[in-house]
Amino acid sequence: DAGVIQSPRHEVTEMGQEVTLRCKPISGHDYLFWYRQTMMRGLELLIYFNNNVPIDDSGMPEDRFSAKMPNASFSTLKIQPSEPRDSAVYFCASSSSGGGNQPQHFGDGTRLSIL
Amino acid sequence: QKEVEQNSGPLSVPEGAIASLNCTYSDRGSQSFFWYRQYSGKSPELIMFIYSNGDKEDGRFTAQLNKASQYVSLLIRDSQPSDSATYLCAVTFSGGYNKLIFGAGTRLAVHP
Repeated sequence: DAGVIQSPRHEVTEMGQEVTLRCKPISGHDYLFWYRQTMMRGLELLIYFNNNVPIDDSGMPEDRFSAKMPNASFSTLKIQPSEPRDSAVYFCASSSSGGGNQPQHFGDGTRLSIL
Repeated sequence: QKEVEQNSGPLSVPEGAIASLNCTYSDRGSQSFFWYRQYSGKSPELIMFIYSNGDKEDGRFTAQLNKASQYVSLLIRDSQPSDSATYLCAVTFSGGYNKLIFGAGTRLAVHP
C-alpha cells in the first residue's frame, strides 16, 4: 500500500517567496495532519483536518501560513511570504477514524530552507 | 499547559542489553499513547501504541502504561545498533480527539 506522499522533498527559496507544500494521505484515511519539526521546538502540530474540514488550526504560527484540503486525497500548506525562521522539516501524516485514536502515519517530509 | 516529557539522552546501551525509555505526561484524561522511532533525517515511524494500563509486547518491544502515575515506557530487548535512533513519545489529550502531543524525544545509542 502506498504511504503518505509529500512533495517536494526539498525546497530552497528566498525570503519573501511563496512556498507550497503538498500532501497525499493514505487512501481511506479521513484525518490529515501537518507538522513542523525543528531542533529547538521539536515536532509541532500546525493544523489537522477531518473529512477535508479543518478542525484545529491553533498551531499555525501566523497568518502567513494557510492550509487547504480540497478533497480527500490532497492537501496543501502554503507560506506567503516566507521568512528564514520558517526553515524546518514539514511533515504530513494521516490516520483513520474507527472509534478511537488511531495511529498516525507520516510522510517522508519536506525539508524547507528559506534564505 | 499540556506536556509530554522525555529525557533527551543520549541513552547509551551495549548491544544485547535492554534499553528503557521513559515518558511522563501532564493530562490525567489522556487515552492513547504512541511510540515513534525517528532515524536522523527520516520521518517518524510508528513502533507501538497502547491504550490500557499494563504491558503490551510486540517482538523485542514492550510498552508499559501506568495511568495513575501518568507514565509510559518503552523497553527494547536485545538492543541492536540498528535501534540507534530518537524515540518520540506521543500522547492524545482529553478533548483533542486524534490530536497528538509529542515529547522532544530520547536519543538512543546502541554500541557494539
